[in-house]
Amino acid sequence: DTAVSQTPKYLVTQMGNDKSIKCEQNLGHDTMYWYKQDSKKFLKIMFSYNNKELIINETVPNRFSPKSPDKAHLNLHINSLELGDSAVYFCASSQTGTGGSSPLHFGNGTRLTVT
Amino acid sequence: DQQVKQNSPSLSVQEGRISILNCDYTNSMFDYFLWYKKYPAEGPTFLISISSIKDKNEDGRFTVFLNKSAKHLSLHIVPSQPGDSAVYFCAASTQTGANNLFFGTGTRLTVIP
Repeated sequence: DTAVSQTPKYLVTQMGNDKSIKCEQNLGHDTMYWYKQDSKKFLKIMFSYNNKELIINETVPNRFSPKSPDKAHLNLHINSLELGDSAVYFCASSQTGTGGSSPLHFGNGTRLTVT
Repeated sequence: DQQVKQNSPSLSVQEGRISILNCDYTNSMFDYFLWYKKYPAEGPTFLISISSIKDKNEDGRFTVFLNKSAKHLSLHIVPSQPGDSAVYFCAASTQTGANNLFFGTGTRLTVIP
């Protein structure tokens, strides 16, 4: 059973389109995240979310928005896609933060290519 | 601003020998450090961690050493096995910002049979 699953694995789309990436975790964790790995291999947090609080990295454009229908899901919506959005996006989850006994569990990533 | 740095993009080691992966950080507020391992087309998986109250943590073949004064940590794998070939990411966080992990850019380890 996959602990953190995200779909699609690959996404190719044109500039200006709107797309979504879905993420689900079956670990019972209370916090979920979206990370972006760019062409230089930097893995940076975009959002962290639990049922109480959404924390947004201030460098993330407001074209990106997380949507959480329930504790086990955190989807990523991207509006008006740009070439620079091309990257690998990783969903992750943890139990009440990333320190101590609860490291992040990552999905396998979604490679987004904007043409 | 890269607060966690892995200056060696790649490392090759013979099977059975020790692999040493290095990581430096700039933020003195970091007090929790982790290593993740990543295979191609998969997400990073947690390997081992250490808090700033310790200078060493060991788990089987994997040992992480922390030198707070030098703001440096290292991951030792001994003996190295071909299955250890992967990209290794160092990550760090603070207690107050526990939801925000800062990652290095990774070191690709190749273990030669």
